[in-house]
Amino acid sequence: LAKTTQPISMDSYEGQEVNITCSHNNIATNDYITWYQQFPSQGPRFIIQGYKTKVTNEVASLFIPADRKSSTLSLPRVSLSDTAVYYCLVAPGGGGGNKLTFGTGTQLKVEL
Amino acid sequence: SAVISQKPSRDICQRGTSLTIQCQVDSQVTMMFWYRQQPGQSLTLIATANQGSEATYESGFVIDKFPISRPNLTFSTLTVSNMSPEDSSIYLCSVEDLGNTGELFFGEGSRLTVL
Repeated sequence: LAKTTQPISMDSYEGQEVNITCSHNNIATNDYITWYQQFPSQGPRFIIQGYKTKVTNEVASLFIPADRKSSTLSLPRVSLSDTAVYYCLVAPGGGGGNKLTFGTGTQLKVEL
Repeated sequence: SAVISQKPSRDICQRGTSLTIQCQVDSQVTMMFWYRQQPGQSLTLIATANQGSEATYESGFVIDKFPISRPNLTFSTLTVSNMSPEDSSIYLCSVEDLGNTGELFFGEGSRLTVL
């Protein structure tokens, strides 16, 4: 499974856009990139998944360059409630019992 | 999606005792995953539980310490045996999306404190 590297922590203010970048240099051809969000005392929650280029949903956007060796999670106009740990994971997509390996995650702190 | 319920949500245990954590899913799933999250740390996969077969343990985890049961397609238990303070963690149950997207759904976790 591809190893991921992301910043340990980031600080932001309400209303700003936050971009969290994840490096996955040895990503495989059939790997997908998935981001999870975890609040204290809760299990991680799926945010977004992508394979290449750009994916957008109601919560975030995911930008993946052509070489797929990195990806950027973009959170538009963050609020205090976006304070959480964000995990970038890389694993074969399509299900079939694939086990996701969680890296260190990025602790995002949003302030007023 | 899947809704996962875990019991207990938290417990305080004495050294040397064992505790069983239950995980109930609202739909039938092939595989269930058990993770451990130590204080301030990321999640580490303990084992994968398949219905009708022995659980598959990750490196560093053994069946004697973390026996797992999987009696049917909606339920699993994880036992933390002969606990020590180092076992103080959050234990999370997880299942994979039924649509085979690779997305994982997690329970709220069981926070164990071992004194």
